[in-house]
Amino acid sequence: DTGVSQNPRHKITKRGQNVTFRCDPISEHNRLYWYRQTLGQGPEFLTYFQNEAQLEKSRLLSDRFSAERPKGSFSTLEIQRTEQGDSAMYLCASSQGASNEKLFFGSGTQLSVL
Amino acid sequence: KQEVTQIPAALSVPEGENLVLNCSFTDSAIYNLQWFRQDPGKGLTSLLLIQSSQREQTSGRLNASLDKSSGRSTLYIAASQPGDSATYLCAVSGFFTGGGNKLTFGTGTQLKVEL
Repeated sequence: DTGVSQNPRHKITKRGQNVTFRCDPISEHNRLYWYRQTLGQGPEFLTYFQNEAQLEKSRLLSDRFSAERPKGSFSTLEIQRTEQGDSAMYLCASSQGASNEKLFFGSGTQLSVL
Repeated sequence: KQEVTQIPAALSVPEGENLVLNCSFTDSAIYNLQWFRQDPGKGLTSLLLIQSSQREQTSGRLNASLDKSSGRSTLYIAASQPGDSATYLCAVSGFFTGGGNKLTFGTGTQLKVEL
């Protein structure tokens, strides 16, 4: 068990470009979450998967954002036509399945849009 | 809509001091409450999780309490050390219609423990 892994750790892109982040959850965890954190703020929920099904999306997740978890294992978060306001830390978390369980977070992907 | 507030926003204490961080939330219908630690530029490390039916949890020098009816939690750190310096985040767990464990976070307390 190596914990939740996120790649890349840092991404610098120009406004208008597309970016994709990857999250590998803890292997036996069937629940996966994406959060976004801006400087000085707590993380905000973006979306949630149970296995391969995306069960909830926040209103923060505009049409430019899409997330997938094709085989119920790793997940990707894509942002199209990036804007400077997308600059943030994107955090992935996983849990085993009970609603009262701890979430285990990855180290995040820091996105900077120039 | 759930709102979580943490006080103080920042705290600086000398090594060895006992300290209390505060968290309040507006909607008492929660599954649980978690305290996390975050080091600069890093992800979150879960410290303690208190189920809604529990009053407190302890781990080493850390003790977290929960008063769900009043919407409050405290994190007590005993005999603080420089290595405790970090941002401490409180998060409450709400309900998804599809199951899951949706966390609403506070903005954190930035702690600095000085030698």
